[in-house]
Amino acid sequence: DVKVTQSSRYLVKRTGEKVFLECVQDMDHENMFWYRQDPGLGLRLIYFSYDVKMKEKGDIPEGYSVSREKKERFSLILESASTNQTSMYLCASRGTSGLAIQETQYFGPGTRLLVL
Amino acid sequence: AQKVTQAQTEISVVEKEDVTLDCVYETRDTTYYLFWYKQPPSGELVFLIRRNSFDEQNEISGRYSWNFQKSTSSFNFTITASQVVDSAVYFCALPAYNQGGKLIFGQGTELSVKP
Repeated sequence: DVKVTQSSRYLVKRTGEKVFLECVQDMDHENMFWYRQDPGLGLRLIYFSYDVKMKEKGDIPEGYSVSREKKERFSLILESASTNQTSMYLCASRGTSGLAIQETQYFGPGTRLLVL
Repeated sequence: AQKVTQAQTEISVVEKEDVTLDCVYETRDTTYYLFWYKQPPSGELVFLIRRNSFDEQNEISGRYSWNFQKSTSSFNFTITASQVVDSAVYFCALPAYNQGGKLIFGQGTELSVKP
């Protein structure tokens, strides 16, 4: 079974803090994604990475950065947390071999972040 | 551009009723995959099914079945004899291959199954 884990299920931070959200997958997947989910706005892509040290901006990258130093780990960084970054953050991973099973994105349990 | 529409925002049924969740999509890709995910109150997105655009056969898995019709760009999901544990938000999704394969999600359908 594919397993994607996220470092925290719930997180409370203060405005201005630097926040790290960690995601680890155990399927040797090349592609990893960070989404945020908000009521009424659905799921939106923040950043994705298709290889170690490679990253691409998604739809809403402002206020975020990412790091992928190892294939299995993809970190989302909020440089200076703000209240409008209060959200549910979901990490996902996917392979690229062309096999059907590699086309599926598998998600972690999510991190509910509250910025006060 | 790809788009996924789930017109039903909320559905409420009584246990043991059958329920169908609709999904309509738009894409210019000639080959593609479609997905359904379930999001229970815990928040995790759970993969349910993947369908290749070449394969229009209906699929059944236990109480779940899926009807894919390329001619109408629809990929509907039916739960037979619903149970309280089926209560969740269900998302239909389509990859955007020109954007790293990110998933384009529908708005989600919140299913409430009452005992």
